[in-house]
Amino acid sequence: AQRVTQPEKLLSVFKGAPVELKCNYSYSGSPELFWYVQYSRQRLQLLLRHISRESIKGFTADLNKGETSFHLKKPFAQEEDSAMYYCDPKGFRSSGDKLTFGTGTRLAVRP
Amino acid sequence: GAGVSQSPRYKVTKRGQDVALRCDPISGHVSLYWYRQALGQGPEFLTYFNYEAQQDKSGLPNDRFSAERPEGSISTLTIQRTEQRDSAMYRCASSLEETGGDGYTFGSGTRLTVV
Repeated sequence: AQRVTQPEKLLSVFKGAPVELKCNYSYSGSPELFWYVQYSRQRLQLLLRHISRESIKGFTADLNKGETSFHLKKPFAQEEDSAMYYCDPKGFRSSGDKLTFGTGTRLAVRP
Repeated sequence: GAGVSQSPRYKVTKRGQDVALRCDPISGHVSLYWYRQALGQGPEFLTYFNYEAQQDKSGLPNDRFSAERPEGSISTLTIQRTEQRDSAMYRCASSLEETGGDGYTFGSGTRLTVV
């Protein structure tokens, strides 16, 4: 089945350290991939999408088809970045497969 | 409206009762999605609509779960004969585009507790 994998359930870094949240996908075509963020007690929010090649809150994500990855990166973590991050494979829709987010990675940024 | 609105925010119900969860998407958004999220887990897809047509209901766990969006706007997720395992946060999202390529906007969710 088509799926995404977020191998780390928890990533803990110090403020100012670089961050990389991993997302790997298995898909034979060209997926559209998104990252969503959920801050404590808030709703899920779209963070960024790979097709727009944007940088939001200092985060970037590059789709690497060779490695089938869409890792989320930020050069210098801030305490306010602490949240749950979910990788979402939008393009899996057309395959008819169940649309399911990754299991999420909790980012904890320590002062 | 300005955002995706879900009601009620919290619902406590006795096992065996039916519940109806409501989602009011952003005005003009074509697609509407229902997800369920258990504590400590990622959102699990249930079903989605483009306009009033239910496109995919493969994520509905069993036939006690159903959803409708009769006029292509507000949607209701109904759970009949609730069981304790149905307890979860139920999240609704909408997107402007049918493909969801613009990304989802999520509501605050309805926390369902079956006692």
